[in-house]
Amino acid sequence: KAGVTQTPRYLIKTRGQQVTLSCSPISGHRSVSWYQQTPGQGLQFLFEYFSETQRNKGNFPGRFSGRQFSNSRSEMNVSTLELGDSALYLCASSRGSNTGELFFGEGSRLTVL
Amino acid sequence: LAKTTQPISMDSYEGQEVNITCSHNNIATNDYITWYQQFPSQGPRFIIQGYKTKVTNEVASLFIPADRKSSTLSLPRVSLSDTAVYYCLVDSSASKIIFGSGTRLSIRP
Repeated sequence: KAGVTQTPRYLIKTRGQQVTLSCSPISGHRSVSWYQQTPGQGLQFLFEYFSETQRNKGNFPGRFSGRQFSNSRSEMNVSTLELGDSALYLCASSRGSNTGELFFGEGSRLTVL
Repeated sequence: LAKTTQPISMDSYEGQEVNITCSHNNIATNDYITWYQQFPSQGPRFIIQGYKTKVTNEVASLFIPADRKSSTLSLPRVSLSDTAVYYCLVDSSASKIIFGSGTRLSIRP
């Protein structure tokens, strides 16, 4: 079956702009989590959505937001981009049960100039 | 709050067995232990998960002692392609899975 698909794979923005990233989970998966990965901070949890509701949120400013649609696809948005937002943004899907197995996409690499 | 402690890096050679140990002294009753592998510029990939004793699949084994305060990921006969970062996680919920710093494993010819 198809894996987790993230678009776009690469993008370049300038400070102050906003960006929207998309994630299509594995069919049947109802949970989508987002992570930011940078060389200095590693993998940091952004938020998790399950059945269109945000179940958990990490310690990121309000500029980072997300949503999930009825078909489980998810988007995350970063407004007023800063240089420090340059990172690999990873989306992971799961069934949402307590076993916690995550299936990751290949990520969207954002560069902020 | 860090829930797991694992070595920052490890080196080994092709064909050897590699054991990476993770400490999780504050593991809760409902927590599972899960290991992921990550290659550069890719998302982490699930390797194995367990709750107690021993779990084995086609790529690795996971050993968990009775007190569950640590776990060991065992990779048999590693190859160059096993060079990656390995993450140990303990969690009882899929809704907020926190990754630690991981172990950077380097395999040499």
